[in-house]
Amino acid sequence: DGGITQSPKYLFRKEGQNVTLSCEQNLNHDAMYWYRQDPGQGLRLIYYSQIVNDFQKGDIAEGYSVSREKKESFPLTVTSAQKNPTAFYLCASTPGNTEAFFGQGTRLTVV
Amino acid sequence: RKEVEQDPGPFNVPEGATVAFNCTYSNSASQSFFWYRQDCRKEPKLLMSVYSSGNEDGRFTAQLNRASQYISLLIRDSKLSDSATYLCVVNNGSARQLTFGSGTQLTVLP
Repeated sequence: DGGITQSPKYLFRKEGQNVTLSCEQNLNHDAMYWYRQDPGQGLRLIYYSQIVNDFQKGDIAEGYSVSREKKESFPLTVTSAQKNPTAFYLCASTPGNTEAFFGQGTRLTVV
Repeated sequence: RKEVEQDPGPFNVPEGATVAFNCTYSNSASQSFFWYRQDCRKEPKLLMSVYSSGNEDGRFTAQLNRASQYISLLIRDSKLSDSATYLCVVNNGSARQLTFGSGTQLTVLP
């Protein structure tokens, strides 16, 4: 079945550690996105990529990094520079001017 | 002004009620429009695309008014299972494409 897979579903990070969230899609979509969602809040754009080997900062990119070496994959690294990383992270992809397809999300908690 | 704004909510309605949500957008070049549903601690899922002519899917009706730059979602005969957060989403065709409203929380009460 085609879709977007995020892993892990739950992730715990110690302060000062970098962690990488995985996002893989087999929908052959060019565009991929990372969003952060805090409790009771909407989605905020972290990074997006329209094509392989290219990506752009969103509204809250500080403390995060991404790569897009393959069309199918768009991993997000939460670095130690991100001071408040506890949140729900959502990856999405779109084929173009249509709706977004979401992964199931990763819930990151700093311990 | 936010690019996409939704009714703040929350909406608490009894079962069987009709409830309407509105959403306004600021970019007149926006090309496509959607309503998503998000359950607690889950990813958003597409509820309906919104077309200029309006569209209906069972108890749900979506409308688009390009002149006034707003979209609406009407839910008739509300069910307990309709309780969720409803997100308005606009695709403006640019590289960033998707802009999300902050969501409107609906609780349907028995």
